[in-house]
Amino acid sequence: GDSVTQMEGPVTLSEEAFLTINCTYTATGYPSLFWYVQYPGEGLQLLLKATKADDKGSNKGFEATYRKETTSFHLEKGSVQVSDSAVYFCALANTGNQFYFGTGTSLTVIP
Amino acid sequence: ETGVTQSPTHLIKTRGQQVTLRCSSQSGHNTVSWYQQALGQGPQFIFQYYREEENGRGNFPPRFSGLQFPNYSSELNVNALELDDSALYLCASSSRLSITDTQYFGPGTRLTVL
Repeated sequence: GDSVTQMEGPVTLSEEAFLTINCTYTATGYPSLFWYVQYPGEGLQLLLKATKADDKGSNKGFEATYRKETTSFHLEKGSVQVSDSAVYFCALANTGNQFYFGTGTSLTVIP
Repeated sequence: ETGVTQSPTHLIKTRGQQVTLRCSSQSGHNTVSWYQQALGQGPQFIFQYYREEENGRGNFPPRFSGLQFPNYSSELNVNALELDDSALYLCASSSRLSITDTQYFGPGTRLTVL
């Protein structure tokens, strides 16, 4: 069946460091891919998305590119801030209207 | 614009009981999905409703059922509760039935089964 596998955490970085959180997926057809974020004490919210191969989603300095050849959707940010501390979830929506989330990666950014 | 709301916030039930959780979609949204999130895990998709019809289902047994009402509010019903049903239950609404659409999540209902 379809699934999402993302890099296990927790991840701890210093402010202004480069961030990569790996995400790979298994799906038939052409899913849409998402990164959701959960800040401390808040609900899940969309960070970015890409709906077809080679699309790049971006928001708040974060980017991820939909790579069909490697079935990946890695999240990157060039310079993290303390305010980026959160749990990040990679997710897919398949053409059967089913949704799959990864297990989440906890990021802590220290000043 | 009102966001997605869920009730109750917390709930404690005993094994074998039945529970109903409620969700009010964001204004203008006609699609709602329900998820189960165990502690330290990602959300697991239960099902999705579009215009009062179930439109997609994850790997959950039939004792998990739902309803969507004409005003697009929604219920999740769980019968014969088991200890493993203890989790955070999230609902999410979107403005149309499309896998490209953004889902807006509610704060969740924390269910504890004793």
